[in-house]
Amino acid sequence: EAGVTQFPSHSVIEKGQTVTLRCDPISGHDNLYWYRRVMGKEIKFLLHFVKESKQDESGMPNNRFLAERTGGTYSTLKVQPAELEDSGVYFCASSPRSLAGYNEQFFGPGTRLTVL
Amino acid sequence: GENVEQHPSTLSVQEGDSAVIKCTYSDSASNYFPWYKQELGKGPQLIIDIRSNVGEKKDQRIAVTLNKTAKHFSLHITETQPEDSAVYFCAASRVSKAAGNKLTFGGGTRVLVKP
Repeated sequence: EAGVTQFPSHSVIEKGQTVTLRCDPISGHDNLYWYRRVMGKEIKFLLHFVKESKQDESGMPNNRFLAERTGGTYSTLKVQPAELEDSGVYFCASSPRSLAGYNEQFFGPGTRLTVL
Repeated sequence: GENVEQHPSTLSVQEGDSAVIKCTYSDSASNYFPWYKQELGKGPQLIIDIRSNVGEKKDQRIAVTLNKTAKHFSLHITETQPEDSAVYFCAASRVSKAAGNKLTFGGGTRVLVKP
């Protein structure tokens, strides 16, 4: 079974440009999470989808970030316009639905975003 | 919100020795504490986790302990091997249907096992 995949693996853009990151979760996983690690600091939560619905977007830094999960399958995270402080590694994770909630989150390899 | 502190930030051990990483958390409602290992070029991978109703859990060479009163938890790796070299992250979460199990991570510990 394929794991969580992310595209692209690396992206280098200039300040003010737009970038769209894509995440394909493990098939059948209802939960999809976006996290990012900036400047070697801790990994921080951005948002959580349950199927196509945003369950929690409390970690989204500002309105330059837009996440979508149309049809409840893959998800995209768009940054528009990108700023220097957006540089970092963006991780996507997915987990199956669970009534108890204690489900392992499977992480993708991440997208390294560099804003010049 | 939850805050997780992790120490040390780097750890160098001789092969065969033990490694210990410690984390503290601030939200007493957190009830799930996973540990992730991240190797170069890969995403974090769960290696062990513990729930708040358990004080200790072991899986071969790795073990995790949890002290709810003091709000800290630790990862212990015994008989370290070169392949244990990686960055390790602790995390905490308040698991519930409403909360959605978002993870709050510590800053990471870079472990180097010297042969």
